[in-house]
Amino acid sequence: GDSVTQMEGPVTLSEEAFLTINCTYTATGYPSLFWYVQYPGEGLQLLLKATKADDKGSNKGFEATYRKETTSFHLEKGSVQVSDSAVYFCASNAGRGSTLGRLYFGRGTQLTVWP
Amino acid sequence: NAGVTQTPKFQVLKTGQSMTLQCAQDMNHEYMSWYRQDPGMGLRLIHYSVGAGITDQGEVPNGYNVSRSTTEDFPLRLLSAAPSQTSVYFCASSYSFTGNEQFFGPGTRLTVL
Repeated sequence: GDSVTQMEGPVTLSEEAFLTINCTYTATGYPSLFWYVQYPGEGLQLLLKATKADDKGSNKGFEATYRKETTSFHLEKGSVQVSDSAVYFCASNAGRGSTLGRLYFGRGTQLTVWP
Repeated sequence: NAGVTQTPKFQVLKTGQSMTLQCAQDMNHEYMSWYRQDPGMGLRLIHYSVGAGITDQGEVPNGYNVSRSTTEDFPLRLLSAAPSQTSVYFCASSYSFTGNEQFFGPGTRLTVL
């Protein structure tokens, strides 16, 4: 069935370091892919998304490219800041069928950035 | 727009008590859903609705009921609370069920003693 697997955390980095959080998906169709971010005590916010193969989603210096051949959607940022400390969730929607809108989430990756 | 609102923010129940978690959205979204978030488990879908009068079960529906009498509201009912239902509950909505972005509420932190 459909599922998302993402890199286990926690991830601890120094400010200005390079960030990669790996995410792979399985889907029967052609899902859209998402990265959500959750700051402490808050709900999830959409960080970026990609709706088809080779699309690149980007926002706030974060990027992720939809790679159909490797079924991946890895999150990257060239220079992290303390304010990026949060939990990051990779998600996909179902590729087809009546549950098209539901999201499948990875387990989340806790990122802590030290000054 | 207020977006997706949830009440209460915090709740403590005793085993066996019932309660309703409220969720409302003012974006005229057709699709609404409830998730629970547990440490190391990500978010798991409890129930969802693709429109008023239509609901369906997600991954972990046992012990929960939902109804969708209006487009705006999607309450989640705990029939007889159990300690295993201690969790953070998120409501989400999206314009349609065709893969659009989902908007999340701020969450309800529930503790069952």
